[in-house]
Amino acid sequence: GAVVSQHPSRVICKSGTSVKIECRSLDFQATTMFWYRQFPKQSLMLMATSNEGSKATYEQGVEKDKFLINHASLTLSTLTVTSAHPEDSSFYICSARLGLADYNEQFFGPGTRLTVL
Amino acid sequence: GQNIDQPTEMTATEGAIVQINCTYQTSGFNGLFWYQQHAGEAPTFLSYNVLDGLEEKGRFSSFLSRSKGYSYLLLKELQMKDSASYLCAVSDSNYQLIWGAGTKLIIKP
Repeated sequence: GAVVSQHPSRVICKSGTSVKIECRSLDFQATTMFWYRQFPKQSLMLMATSNEGSKATYEQGVEKDKFLINHASLTLSTLTVTSAHPEDSSFYICSARLGLADYNEQFFGPGTRLTVL
Repeated sequence: GQNIDQPTEMTATEGAIVQINCTYQTSGFNGLFWYQQHAGEAPTFLSYNVLDGLEEKGRFSSFLSRSKGYSYLLLKELQMKDSASYLCAVSDSNYQLIWGAGTKLIIKP
């Protein structure tokens, strides 16, 4: 299957700083990338959908000025958590989709665990 | 609204069979996915159903009934490594995945 990488896998930062998380599709071009957040013992929560070259579409309740998404190419999307606070500590997972075909599987990255002190 | 329901937790014995159910109500339907997620890891793809019926893949099978808004994941010959959360997700009319909360499966020796 297709491979999606995320970097870093784990990050600890101080409150008030910004953290950038990269998501790359390694062996395919992803028309659409998704960013999820998952709190302990909860399911995935979609934060935003990004298409290459256009602005991301954020889900209700997700602050676009706090969670900056840049989808600069068909293989790279970045999520920047600005002015991080302890409540932003979570498991952030990206996924990439090949297209809008019927078989529209999303391929997940390994996730980034963010801890804000 | 859109809704995916699956049991919160199930327990089964090593070597046995377990069925995890998922019911859904979504705006449109473009397929149903099952993912496995071990603690602290990202989900991994298990199966995809878009037509009614049973799809078998080794020890895992997935069933879909679109008229009933119902699917199940069947795991046979359970192994300890099958202890994980199993997530049901439906692709809606916009090809967006609507996720269930996941079923935590506990396997006992």
